[in-house]
Amino acid sequence: DSGVTQTPKHLITATGQRVTLRCSPRSGDLSVYWYQQSLDQGLQFLIQYYNGEERAKGNILERFSAQQFPDLHSELNLSSLELGDSALYFCASSSRWAGSFYEQYFGPGTRLTVT
Amino acid sequence: TQLLEQSPQFLSIQEGENLTVYCNSSSVFSSLQWYRQEPGEDPVLLVTVVTGGEVKKLKRLTFQFGDARKDSSLHITAAQPGDTGLYLCAGGIQGAQKLVFGQGTRLTINP
Repeated sequence: DSGVTQTPKHLITATGQRVTLRCSPRSGDLSVYWYQQSLDQGLQFLIQYYNGEERAKGNILERFSAQQFPDLHSELNLSSLELGDSALYFCASSSRWAGSFYEQYFGPGTRLTVT
Repeated sequence: TQLLEQSPQFLSIQEGENLTVYCNSSSVFSSLQWYRQEPGEDPVLLVTVVTGGEVKKLKRLTFQFGDARKDSSLHITAAQPGDTGLYLCAGGIQGAQKLVFGQGTRLTINP
């Protein structure tokens, strides 16, 4: 158990709908990252937040948005869902950047199926 | 754009054999991490290497960071079925506070 929690574990919804995925980082971690993993693919970085502020953006679609709240939990909002959005969505958290490296700890993921 | 290429993409071998997985880039990374992901599970951090030429061992797994910090390898000795999984390498980018992930090597160890 990494200490990172994600809810829900599974989501099934129809095309055109909107969903919200939630993540709580490890106690004390200020950074939250979101990743998308499609079937048999590696992890695609979506976005990072640090202490409530957006820090880095990856291959995140305009239909997707995220935020990190004062209690440091984060939500990833996916709208106008398409079949191709079906994937595992992982959240990870890390401690403060140590200047040369840091380690990310992953949550259990949310499996999104768009029908 | 920093890219990490992992090879091979798929590897299936018999129990007891040795194997090496590679992670290569044309970019320099400040750190290199290896994760293992079992089917349906989240990636779990195995090791972090930060110094060029660094070698770390984790039981039967040996990790090496290239001298120029552009590549890394993972060597597994006497592979076991429990080693089956997706192995992901991830490079840390100095100043950018993010990791770049490779596409992964899907390893299957057959009993």
